[in-house]
Amino acid sequence: DAGITQSPRHKVTETGTPVTLRCHQTENHRYMYWYRQDPGHGLRLIHYSYGVKDTDKGEVSDGYSVSRSKTEDFLLTLESATSSQTSVYFCAISGTSSVVEQYFGPGTRLTVT
Amino acid sequence: RKEVEQDPGPFNVPEGATVAFNCTYSNSASQSFFWYRQDCRKEPKLLMSVYSSGNEDGRFTAQLNRASQYISLLIRDSKLSDSATYLCVVTSEGSGTYKYIFGTGTRLKVLA
Repeated sequence: DAGITQSPRHKVTETGTPVTLRCHQTENHRYMYWYRQDPGHGLRLIHYSYGVKDTDKGEVSDGYSVSRSKTEDFLLTLESATSSQTSVYFCAISGTSSVVEQYFGPGTRLTVT
Repeated sequence: RKEVEQDPGPFNVPEGATVAFNCTYSNSASQSFFWYRQDCRKEPKLLMSVYSSGNEDGRFTAQLNRASQYISLLIRDSKLSDSATYLCVVTSEGSGTYKYIFGTGTRLKVLA
């Protein structure tokens, strides 16, 4: 299995509070991604990073920010959590070879009350 | 039309049966194709890449039809442990990185 961990694995928080999720990889992969998964939707990209301090928005980036200060860590911050951000969040990594599979972390289940 | 479409199922099949799923995609410039397996409340795990020539891994066979813009996954001799949701993933090249589009998944239940 790819060396990807996410923390916390579960979190319950109140509306309006900031929340930070962490993704840590030991594979030295260049690309890292944050997705959310909700019933009836495929995995939807929130933000991605193509290197240290290099990030870009995905299709559902409103209300989220990211940071990548080290190759191995990619942080996702919900600036002011809302109930619509209740979801399962997956981090993924990919390398830069011609074979571009993504590998996923175990996920963080976030509930905003 | 969604960029990647899958029949949500569920496909209920008896042990030992052969089952096939299709996944259609709308972008003819799509470059890479994958099948992932996702168990309930777990992360997606790569099952296999799909090559133009088709590929086989044990009981699993994946095929790509670029003319009709679909990929398929065939599972032979189904096992109870094959019960899961199968996601198809299609990539296209974006500005400096790849764009991954996920289907919503096809649920398979293998029955004893």
